[in-house]
Amino acid sequence: EVQLVESGGGLVQPGRSLRLSCAASGFTFDDYAMHWVRQAPGKGLEWVSGISWNSGNIGYADSVKGRFTISRDNAKNSLYLQMNSLRAEDTALYYCAKDIYGDYGFGDNWFDPWGQGTLVTVSS
Amino acid sequence: SYELTQPPSVSVSPGQTASITCSGNKLGDKYACWYQQKPGQSPVVVIYQNSKRPSGIPERFSGSNSGNTATLTISGTQAMDEADYYCQAWDSSTNVFGTGTKVTVL
Repeated sequence: EVQLVESGGGLVQPGRSLRLSCAASGFTFDDYAMHWVRQAPGKGLEWVSGISWNSGNIGYADSVKGRFTISRDNAKNSLYLQMNSLRAEDTALYYCAKDIYGDYGFGDNWFDPWGQGTLVTVSS
Repeated sequence: SYELTQPPSVSVSPGQTASITCSGNKLGDKYACWYQQKPGQSPVVVIYQNSKRPSGIPERFSGSNSGNTATLTISGTQAMDEADYYCQAWDSSTNVFGTGTKVTVL
């Protein structure tokens, strides 16, 4: 069974940093691109970042570019999101999601499955 | 930046047909997919590549995409279909989600 388990969320003050992790199991991790998607409380979905199977293709939403860094460790079957200079508007449930392809941006990528998410709250 | 617009809510009676639209500039030139999200749960894809259903998704879910509008149709809507639905497309290697539609089965 494919499983994605996020961790690392919590309460953090504005301007501080946090690192999220996503542990993957049940599939060949280094065959697939991976993504982070967030959902603010009571709001819609927002793609945050994506990374191809070999880390050769990385992208970010404009809202996080320059502050967040996505990475992966294929030997550990893990995906990460380093979040710096956090703002109140970054408060959200952060989901890890598996792409159906090894790379993304072709136009027909979609995400399956998604993890259960880890909650990040940015507040003083 | 590219935007996808959905109606905030759609109401449907059990057994009737619900149609959810997703509008974006030349969306018909792109692939659209649709996710269902029930309260407290993670999103699940119900339609991909405009009109294809993943295994395990009921036949009552169908999709189309043309011009500036993609449409998700739920035929013979059941109470279990009550959820939020989001469309998704890619624009210049950036993923975009629609604004989301809450489907209420009255």
